[in-house]
Amino acid sequence: AQTIHQWPVAEIKAVGSPLSLGCTIKGKSSPNLYWYWQATGGTLQQLFYSITVGQVESVVQLNLSASRPKDDQFILSTEKLLLSHSGFYLCAFRGGSYEQYFGPGTRLTVL
Amino acid sequence: QQQVRQSPQSLTVWEGETAILNCSYENSAFDYFPWYQQFPGEGPALLISILSVSDKKEDGRFTIFFNKREKKLSLHIADSQPGDSATYFCAGSNYNVLYFGSGTKLTVEP
Repeated sequence: AQTIHQWPVAEIKAVGSPLSLGCTIKGKSSPNLYWYWQATGGTLQQLFYSITVGQVESVVQLNLSASRPKDDQFILSTEKLLLSHSGFYLCAFRGGSYEQYFGPGTRLTVL
Repeated sequence: QQQVRQSPQSLTVWEGETAILNCSYENSAFDYFPWYQQFPGEGPALLISILSVSDKKEDGRFTIFFNKREKKLSLHIADSQPGDSATYFCAGSNYNVLYFGSGTKLTVEP
């Protein structure tokens, strides 16, 4: 069975500080991976996707970057947080031909 | 331009009734339409999905009706239960990018 793990579960950070969020997929070889952002009470916005190690495509610019250092790992980061970065960050993987399955998410609060 | 629209924003039904959630989209290139269920504080869970070559998909109490000509689809939840109370998101995809609607918050009253 495929499992998806995100870390940390929650973060409280200061404006201007750096950020790194992680996602690990187990049980699936060479998955397509995705990052999403969800404002509190809002919809989901896709940020990045990656088809293979070392390759990341940006969908929307939010002063964030992503990297895929390993086949099963996807990292979201920024050097300088803004208040607008607060929200719920979700990692997802493609399970079959089309389906995307989401992880439990990381709650980020920027003060 | 919002690619996927949902209505209503919120919906309350009684236990045992059928809840109907609506969705429309702009991009004719979309060929895959999933519905997700999300509980507060959790990641969304894939509920049911349909490809644009089909006009109906059933899975237990959940049914998607799809009208490609009108670019509309709907999710019917039969025999609604209090445990179905959640936010439901419709989405449309052109393979690697998934565009979500704004969601419908469903409340099922016992």
